[in-house]
Amino acid sequence: DAGITQSPRYKITETGRQVTLMCHQTWSHSYMFWYRQDLGHGLRLIYYSAAADITDKGEVPDGYVVSRSKTENFPLTLESATRSQTSVYFCASRSGGTGHGYTFGSGTRLTVV
Amino acid sequence: AQKITQTQPGMFVQEKEAVTLDCTYDTSDQSYGLFWYKQPSSGEMIFLIYQGSYDEQNATEGRYSLNFQKARKSANLVISASQLGDSAMYFCAPLKGGSEKLVFGKGTKLTVNP
Repeated sequence: DAGITQSPRYKITETGRQVTLMCHQTWSHSYMFWYRQDLGHGLRLIYYSAAADITDKGEVPDGYVVSRSKTENFPLTLESATRSQTSVYFCASRSGGTGHGYTFGSGTRLTVV
Repeated sequence: AQKITQTQPGMFVQEKEAVTLDCTYDTSDQSYGLFWYKQPSSGEMIFLIYQGSYDEQNATEGRYSLNFQKARKSANLVISASQLGDSAMYFCAPLKGGSEKLVFGKGTKLTVNP
């Protein structure tokens, strides 16, 4: 099916473990993004990518690593998870150009215990 | 960092009435865009409407319209004829011209009462 999909939908992990959140889009959009959503903060940009092999930091990149070897995939890795990284993570994509909306995945709810 | 202010953490409106959700932003840019998103309790982010800073007319999309006042740096979302399904969080998000980094306000929770 066309669209943007995130996996897993829910994840519980332990402090100190590495965890990877997956994001896949079928539109060949150039731009992809990772946001986290916490109560009282709205959505905050973690990392984004303008194309395969081009990534850049957002507002809150510390503790996260991204890669984009293929246009359609943009995984987000927490190298050593901390409780402060408990959050809902959204992936988004955009084709670029004025007025084009950002399309979001359904989100991954991550709990670090 | 760009400052976005949504002054109303919570709003209540009666079904079938109109409601205005406020958004102001701090920018020195002349070229930018303004997005509004809806997030229902199910959690997905739904794109509602977009306004470009050089657009001569206020954007409209069905029951959604923007009251865009560039000099005041505000882009308030107007929802006409509210429906129960409009109950959700609403986020304002400005986009700097030439940038792809969409930055979100903290949102307004709208509750539509029957």
